[in-house]
Amino acid sequence: GAVVSQHPSRVICKSGTSVKIECRSLDFQATTMFWYRQFPKQSLMLMATSNEGSKATYEQGVEKDKFLINHASLTLSTLTVTSAHPEDSSFYICSARTQTGVYGYTFGSGTRLTVV
Amino acid sequence: DAKTTQPPSMDCAEGRAANLPCNHSTISGNEYVYWYRQIHSQGPQYIIHGLKNNETNEMASLIITEDRKSSTLILPHATLRDTAVYYCIVRPNTGNQFYFGTGTSLTVIP
Repeated sequence: GAVVSQHPSRVICKSGTSVKIECRSLDFQATTMFWYRQFPKQSLMLMATSNEGSKATYEQGVEKDKFLINHASLTLSTLTVTSAHPEDSSFYICSARTQTGVYGYTFGSGTRLTVV
Repeated sequence: DAKTTQPPSMDCAEGRAANLPCNHSTISGNEYVYWYRQIHSQGPQYIIHGLKNNETNEMASLIITEDRKSSTLILPHATLRDTAVYYCIVRPNTGNQFYFGTGTSLTVIP
């Protein structure tokens, strides 16, 4: 089945630095990928929609200059958290829509970001 | 924005059927009902989806009411590994964004 690989699974960074998270579709092409953020004991919140070859679309209230999204190929989208602060510590999850079989979304395993 | 309402938590005895309800009273004619679950600190996992007919697969059954304003996910024989947060989501099959509601935290009890 469709697999989305997310890397790294865990990352700790210092406040003020930037962190890049990768999301890859392993056995299918994903023209559109999605990035979510999840705080402890809360639901997933959609941050942005990543479109291959074009600018990402951000949800209301999400700072596009802070959360940089690049979708340069049909199998890779990256999320860069710039100038990270402790309040950015969260669980970040990507997903991609599969075009065959299940008409839904396949999710990555998530990245636990801790900013110290 | 999420268009579904689910109870925040439920318990189920191991081996029994788990019935998870979802209200989606504002669902439109072209919107599907999807169910995903999330085990702690993992990405959501697809379970099942449907439009208006009941659906069954190897994981679960989905019962959608005739007016489509609510649905029930049924796990026929719950195991401890089914302990997770279950999300009911409605969206058009041709659209893009996928919004999560608050979900139901299911605990399967030995």
